Amino acid sequence: EVQLVESGGGVVQPGGSLRLSCAASGFTFSDYAMHWVRQAPGKGLEWVSLITGDGNGTHYAVSVKGRFIVSRDNTKNSLYLQMSDLRTEDTALYYCTKDIMQLWGQGTRVAVSS
Amino acid sequence: DIVMTQSPDSLAVSLGERATINCQSSHSLLYGSNSKNYLAWYQQKPGQPPKLLIYWASTRDSGVPDRFSGSGSGTDFTLTINNLQAEDVAVYYCKQYFSIPLTFGGGTKVEIK
Repeated sequence: EVQLVESGGGVVQPGGSLRLSCAASGFTFSDYAMHWVRQAPGKGLEWVSLITGDGNGTHYAVSVKGRFIVSRDNTKNSLYLQMSDLRTEDTALYYCTKDIMQLWGQGTRVAVSS
Repeated sequence: DIVMTQSPDSLAVSLGERATINCQSSHSLLYGSNSKNYLAWYQQKPGQPPKLLIYWASTRDSGVPDRFSGSGSGTDFTLTINNLQAEDVAVYYCKQYFSIPLTFGGGTKVEIK
């Protein structure tokens, strides 16, 4: 089955860190760029990060640059988002999504609160 | 950054009627070398992830009903939902993928009148 499954979300204090994971199945993972997109409670969609299929190219939204690092392990069909120096405004549902965003996971929730 | 502006914020349409959603970009999304508009439309129902409806401004993704259509070029785009069905109640987003950072419109909520 073609799917993406995110994990790793949780509640963290401001300044803390979390590592999100996204497990891919049903397609040749290394052939596709992958994105992280987030959605704050009751708000719209915000693109967070992109990584190329080979992992050699990464891009970030200004709001997370310098704090988040996207990576992937094509041998494990997995995508990651290492988030550090978390802020309350990072509270959101984080989705991983493939290529032109035709496949999405169900998301993993991150709540930054003291 | 390319700013995507959607209108209206919400609209209520009777079953079987037409819904029209507009999306304007602050920069042309038409890439000259391939004549493609780097614009996509997504549908998001409550509690669900977004679903790709349209890409290249007018190409329906596989399995998307033909009552959904996309049009426009350059900086002005439209998503049209003909013969609105109850299952079309959702928030619709446009997104440009012409340049990084990718940016979404603010969303348009479609309800039944």
